[in-house]
Amino acid sequence: RKEVEQDPGPFNVPEGATVAFNCTYSNSASQSFFWYRQDCRKEPKLLMSVYSSGNEDGRFTAQLNRASQYISLLIRDSKLSDSATYLCVVNKRAGTALIFGKGTTLSVSS
Amino acid sequence: GAVVSQHPSWVICKSGTSVKIECRSLDFQATTMFWYRQFPKQSLMLMATSNEGSKATYEQGVEKDKFLINHASLTLSTLTVTSAHPEDSSFYICSARRSGGWQETQYFGPGTRLLVL
Repeated sequence: RKEVEQDPGPFNVPEGATVAFNCTYSNSASQSFFWYRQDCRKEPKLLMSVYSSGNEDGRFTAQLNRASQYISLLIRDSKLSDSATYLCVVNKRAGTALIFGKGTTLSVSS
Repeated sequence: GAVVSQHPSWVICKSGTSVKIECRSLDFQATTMFWYRQFPKQSLMLMATSNEGSKATYEQGVEKDKFLINHASLTLSTLTVTSAHPEDSSFYICSARRSGGWQETQYFGPGTRLLVL
């Protein structure tokens, strides 16, 4: 089983749509969780950290369920500029490398 | 935010040559840097962890004699792909760990695209 698994993509949605991505991780001792965004041929960039209490940043909402080892990302009112690959990322403990999911590609069209 | 640079941003070389990639943290000291590799449509895969002043720790399946890592200072780590072959063509990305404050963060370099002919 892969350490981080994500929804298979791609997701093709119209502008204004709400889209949700899901992710599961295998190591229950993992400590930190993130969503990264990666544009074509670019390095990944941190979108937001994910906390058990859930957190929101503008149109983006992230949720973490430690019991089921499940992470989600909700994007409301999709924009064309949201088109990218979204990577679910887990960190087992501070100081260690990040573990990336394969990513889910989102394409927002007008 | 913190900045991490990589050089070169892309390189094309002949099979059998060696390629050196530099990763620099520009405005903070990084005791730990990580080297990842990403093949098309795949996730970033950790190759090795680079600690300043000590030997790098390689992931299973990554040849340490082929991918030489040197972390000689708190702001510079280098990855040398020795005797590169076409199957080494990939996107190589480093990240630098910045600790301190209330949260630890890792910052990524812009990546280096390697094409081996």
